[in-house]
Amino acid sequence: DSGVTQTPKHLITATGQRVTLRCSPRSGDLSVYWYQQSLDQGLQFLIHYYNGEERAKGNILERFSAQQFPDLHSELNLSSLELGDSALYFCASSKPGGADSYNEQFFGPGTRLTVL
Amino acid sequence: AQTVTQSQPEMSVQEAETVTLSCTYDTSESDYYLFWYKQPPSRQMILVIRQEAYKQQNATENRFSVNFQKAAKSFSLKISDSQLGDAAMYFCAYSLPTPGANSKLTFGKGITLSVRP
Repeated sequence: DSGVTQTPKHLITATGQRVTLRCSPRSGDLSVYWYQQSLDQGLQFLIHYYNGEERAKGNILERFSAQQFPDLHSELNLSSLELGDSALYFCASSKPGGADSYNEQFFGPGTRLTVL
Repeated sequence: AQTVTQSQPEMSVQEAETVTLSCTYDTSESDYYLFWYKQPPSRQMILVIRQEAYKQQNATENRFSVNFQKAAKSFSLKISDSQLGDAAMYFCAYSLPTPGANSKLTFGKGITLSVRP
């Protein structure tokens, strides 16, 4: 158990719908990263939040958005869902660190999204 | 942009034998981190081992060790005394060491390792 929780574990929905995936980081971790794992694209970085602020975006579609709340949990919102959005969505969290430290990312168990 | 390449999609090893998984990467940075992650059928991402680019010494964690060749941009994982529980998908990954800023992981496509009893 990494200490990172994600809900729900599984989500089945229809095309055109909107869903929200939730991530609670480990206690004390300020960074939350979202990754998408799909058969054709592999594991891809989507977005990074640090202490409530967006720090970087990766290959995240405009239909997707995220936020990190004051209690540091994060939500990934996926809208106008398409069949190709079916994937495993991971969040990972890490602590802040010093200039020369390494901040391991601890992964949650993922949310498996199936779009029918 | 940094890229990570794992050219072997699948490998198989006999239990108790040794196997080496290959990875190459491309970066213009001089300081970075490299990782191997294991993803068993449960889909949980588990960090196996990490290597700091500025360290000459290859990282070792029990039965897992790496061969880091910075000039060749090669980073292979050696699993000794393979066990049935080692069967999983293994991802090679890269990250820049920027605490507080974006330390996103860039992953290779992964390799599926099977272990024969």
